[in-house]
Amino acid sequence: AQTVTQSQPEMSVQEAETVTLSCTYDTSESDYYLFWYKQPPSRQMILVIRQEAYKQQNATENRFSVNFQKAAKSFSLKISDSQLGDAAMYFCAYTLNTGTASKLTFGTGTRLQVTL
Amino acid sequence: ETGVTQTPRHLVMGMTNKKSLKCEQHLGHNAMYWYKQSAKKPLELMFVYNFKEQTENNSVPSRFSPECPNSSHLFLHLHTLQPEDSALYLCASSHLDRGTEAFFGQGTRLTVV
Repeated sequence: AQTVTQSQPEMSVQEAETVTLSCTYDTSESDYYLFWYKQPPSRQMILVIRQEAYKQQNATENRFSVNFQKAAKSFSLKISDSQLGDAAMYFCAYTLNTGTASKLTFGTGTRLQVTL
Repeated sequence: ETGVTQTPRHLVMGMTNKKSLKCEQHLGHNAMYWYKQSAKKPLELMFVYNFKEQTENNSVPSRFSPECPNSSHLFLHLHTLQPEDSALYLCASSHLDRGTEAFFGQGTRLTVV
């Protein structure tokens, strides 16, 4: 079975600084997708960024980028120029590319605090 | 209207009650999901529906009964729950496609007393 591990229960970053959230996963498959979701106090999971395993290029979305190391099974999220609105729980997730429903396996999350 | 809407937002029920959670999506998706989010645990996938057909039940106790009358609506019927069932229940939807991201509702915070 696939597992996703987030080893940082909490992280803190100053506004305008950069922070990196860690994620490792375990799978014997080669074709899969990885995601970072953000869950603010409103509780709604919001997709931050997506990475396709067969693409070597790291995904980027504005201030958010990932460092995808397939051999090491590592998928970290870098947030640049942190803003107060970035404060939330961040979840790393995995889904196998089966061509059917996207069933996600989540990590336990990292709570990000942004300070002035 | 937002993409995925869940009602109610909060629910308190006794162990002998029967209640239902509702989820509605307006995104034209054809797959819907129920997830359970408990404190300090990863989100757990409970049920998956593809085109109204249940394709996955992750060993969920029978006191949770899903229903998917059409591709836009998903229900979770609850009866004789236990206090340990208290959690945030999240509904999600996606296209039935490879790796397409899931869109989530805001969840129902359930407390069983």
